Amino acid sequence: DTEVTQTPKHLVMGMTNKKSLKCEQHMGHRAMYWYKQKAKKPPELMFVYSYEKLSINESVPSRFSPECPNSSLLNLHLHALQPEDSALYLCASSQEGGRGRTEAFFGQGTRLTVV
Amino acid sequence: LAKTTQPISMDSYEGQEVNITCSHNNIATNDYITWYQQFPSQGPRFIIQGYKTKVTNEVASLFIPADRKSSTLSLPRVSLSDTAVYYCLPRMDSSYKLIFGSGTRLLVRP
Repeated sequence: DTEVTQTPKHLVMGMTNKKSLKCEQHMGHRAMYWYKQKAKKPPELMFVYSYEKLSINESVPSRFSPECPNSSLLNLHLHALQPEDSALYLCASSQEGGRGRTEAFFGQGTRLTVV
Repeated sequence: LAKTTQPISMDSYEGQEVNITCSHNNIATNDYITWYQQFPSQGPRFIIQGYKTKVTNEVASLFIPADRKSSTLSLPRVSLSDTAVYYCLPRMDSSYKLIFGSGTRLLVRP
């Protein structure tokens, strides 16, 4: 199984709502990532979890709150978002660093629209 | 992290070989070079990774000169379905920081 599964595929939320994005992988990867991607732009790194601990936060606003309940799951909790937060949110996973293949596997993304 | 420079866009025709070059002048000794492909509204997909010289797999070849300041992704006999954005990313041996540059938008015409 080389899949990263993201749910939901589409999400529309109001600026006062609270919602969560979910990501799951069963490849035994110990690094998991959240990216944000606006149209015609490259994916922008938000957070990295390594061995279920937050290791990188790219100065993301606190209205985005990541959580890693276990080694297979990654959540992104959303609260009080702004319309400019509308984007494709991508989850990825990879093995821990080391020589050899270190490619990241990406999910299909959640298309988020904030109204 | 090494900064990368790629052409913004390239055009090709079906059946041609396409070479996309990425420069990464300040690549570190421990960095591998990885390439990803992304279709619209999908997550990026790993294509190939290399450290030096030449690597080939079922999809592409990657050429890295001795100074490692650039790399070239070669796609043999492209088809319409190869129309996508291609990203080159230096990837440190032990780092989780995977940063995408602006990428190259490849358009394959019939």
